[in-house]
Amino acid sequence: QVQLQESGPGLVKPSETLSLTCTVSGGSIRNYYWNWIRQPPGKGLEWIGYIYHTGSTNYNPSLKSRVTISLDTSKKQFSLKLSSVTAADTAVYYCGSFSHDDSAYRPLWYFDFWGRGTLVTVSS
Amino acid sequence: QSALTQPASVSGSPGQSITISCTGTSSDVGNYNLVSWYQHHPGKGPKLMIYDVTKRPSGVSNRFSGSKSGNMASLTISALQAEDEADYYCCSYAGASTFVFGGGTKVTVL
Repeated sequence: QVQLQESGPGLVKPSETLSLTCTVSGGSIRNYYWNWIRQPPGKGLEWIGYIYHTGSTNYNPSLKSRVTISLDTSKKQFSLKLSSVTAADTAVYYCGSFSHDDSAYRPLWYFDFWGRGTLVTVSS
Repeated sequence: QSALTQPASVSGSPGQSITISCTGTSSDVGNYNLVSWYQHHPGKGPKLMIYDVTKRPSGVSNRFSGSKSGNMASLTISALQAEDEADYYCCSYAGASTFVFGGGTKVTVL
């Protein structure tokens, strides 16, 4: 059973870079796509992007110019960097995963594991 | 990529059935049988309840069921229980290895 735990600063200044880390336990880094998803206060969920164990990434087109997701397999951690933040980036940030089905040679397009989330506030 | 449309709130009495709708477009919900639903209690991570439109993960009550018609997917909760009170989100594959979520529906058990 995969468990995910987000960590990072809870307060970021406008125009700076938001940085968060998600630590994976209870499972292998392989065969999963590692995601970041966020929820602004009072709003719905927004998918930010993912990284696969090969290092391949894909991002939400609306955030692509500001997002970088990286992976440290030795530490079983993946990270999010979101640059040039504004108050609109204030949200609870979740890490989550979806699997790759090796027998079917395709991803399984649903999130089976999630972290509890961490609130990041953008304010001076 | 616009968010999927869900009603802000749905309520029902214990034992009743409720249905939550999730409306997308022909680029997401209507084009792929890859809709999933998540239950979210405050302070916890969301929990997968339905995937691939109609499938239930192991351990999820059979009171939860999913369906789809055209650009609209639905989640039905039958025999409503107090523990079902939570926020529910739909999510669809949207092509090019991307996802789109709904705005969420607050379910209240009266």
